[in-house]
Amino acid sequence: DTGVSQDPRHKITKRGQNVTFRCDPISEHNRLYWYRQTLGQGPEFLTYFQNEAQLEKSRLLSDRFSAERPKGSFSTLEIQRTEQGDSAMYLCASSLAPRPRNTGELFFGEGSRLTVL
Amino acid sequence: KQEVTQIPAALSVPEGENLVLNCSFTDSAIYNLQWFRQDPGKGLTSLLLIQSSQREQTSGRLNASLDKSSGRSTLYIAASQPGDSATYLCAFFKDETSGSRLTFGEGTQLTVNP
Repeated sequence: DTGVSQDPRHKITKRGQNVTFRCDPISEHNRLYWYRQTLGQGPEFLTYFQNEAQLEKSRLLSDRFSAERPKGSFSTLEIQRTEQGDSAMYLCASSLAPRPRNTGELFFGEGSRLTVL
Repeated sequence: KQEVTQIPAALSVPEGENLVLNCSFTDSAIYNLQWFRQDPGKGLTSLLLIQSSQREQTSGRLNASLDKSSGRSTLYIAASQPGDSATYLCAFFKDETSGSRLTFGEGTQLTVNP
């Protein structure tokens, strides 16, 4: 499978615990995005990387959230001291950076669903 | 601030009907616009991408149009089938120093009844 893969698909945790999600992008893609989606809403942007550099972070990304892409390949999203309001689907997407010959189309993974009890 | 609006929020049609989903956006300086399909509990599947210089794209029974001047896009689904039941999301992409991301609407939940 050469698509975007995310792990785990579902995580149930107790409030106050730390969780980490992993995303493996399409191999030749240099951009990687994290989004969060709650029930009945469209996905909301959290952050994105170009290669290993984190170029933008949303105000939604509180200091309890940290994302890394250490070697410009896979990425991790860690949530510390989880709260019930963190319950959501966390989506990862990858793309080639838009250029005259690249559309910049984003391809999404299946998501990691977090439930905080 | 809502930058993308999708109408209707939900739609139920009988099988075989042609239908149109609407998307409007407030910023005409977009790089491209994508339409996605999302099944319950799943990720997003890209359906069509329209670059800012294009007016429409077609894939099978799907046709998407883009009118940047009016800030509108439509997704036309011909001869709908029960398997088309899903949530359809539109999103515009901007790529500039002030931000580079897809901004999504809240989606249209489509039900096609056999």
